[in-house]
Amino acid sequence: NAGVTQTPKFQVLKTGQSMTLQCAQDMNHEYMSWYRQDPGMGLRLIHYSVGAGITDQGEVPNGYNVSRSTTEDFPLRLLSAAPSQTSVYFCASSSRQGSGANVLTFGAGSRLTVL
Amino acid sequence: AQTVTQSQPEMSVQEAETVTLSCTYDTSESNYYLFWYKQPPSRQMILVIRQEAYKQQNATENRFSVNFQKAAKSFSLKISDSQLGDTAMYFCAFGSSNTGKLIFGQGTTLQVKP
Repeated sequence: NAGVTQTPKFQVLKTGQSMTLQCAQDMNHEYMSWYRQDPGMGLRLIHYSVGAGITDQGEVPNGYNVSRSTTEDFPLRLLSAAPSQTSVYFCASSSRQGSGANVLTFGAGSRLTVL
Repeated sequence: AQTVTQSQPEMSVQEAETVTLSCTYDTSESNYYLFWYKQPPSRQMILVIRQEAYKQQNATENRFSVNFQKAAKSFSLKISDSQLGDTAMYFCAFGSSNTGKLIFGQGTTLQVKP
């Protein structure tokens, strides 16, 4: 049982480049979300999804795009990278019901540096 | 919109002693969850404890317990018999029951000293 798998773990981009952070979960969780972590600011929600085909914006969505074509996958796209997007990114998933409802399972994180 | 505030950026405690981390939140929802997550230097996010808002009984997990004051919108974490392995950043989080999204506080860095 792999849980939540994020790739890549590290990435360096130049300003203006685009890239996709991949996220996959094998727990059949309905909910998936992306967070960014910056020093002194905790984790901030970028986008989230309550099920396949449904996505919505979080606290800091600008500059990011998501889609959820399957239950398992929730990629995060940076359309034109900016230095302000240098951060650590976490993907997470959770179940809608049961004893573990809303308990996030996190990926290991992806450190992105934009030069 | 929901907000979560942790007013203690850094705290320290001697090994084997007790420490309490504070958290307040703001919401107009009646059905929600509250969480404490731990992030050690490895960067991995680990669930410490979970509280369902409709339950009046405070959640406990071994050495970890919470003081949930719903009317005051307060959710503090008490760590008893602190261990060196408890050294980490701790995040308080608010969860909406029907979206799965969590809103996190800024975090409290806890250092346990030998």
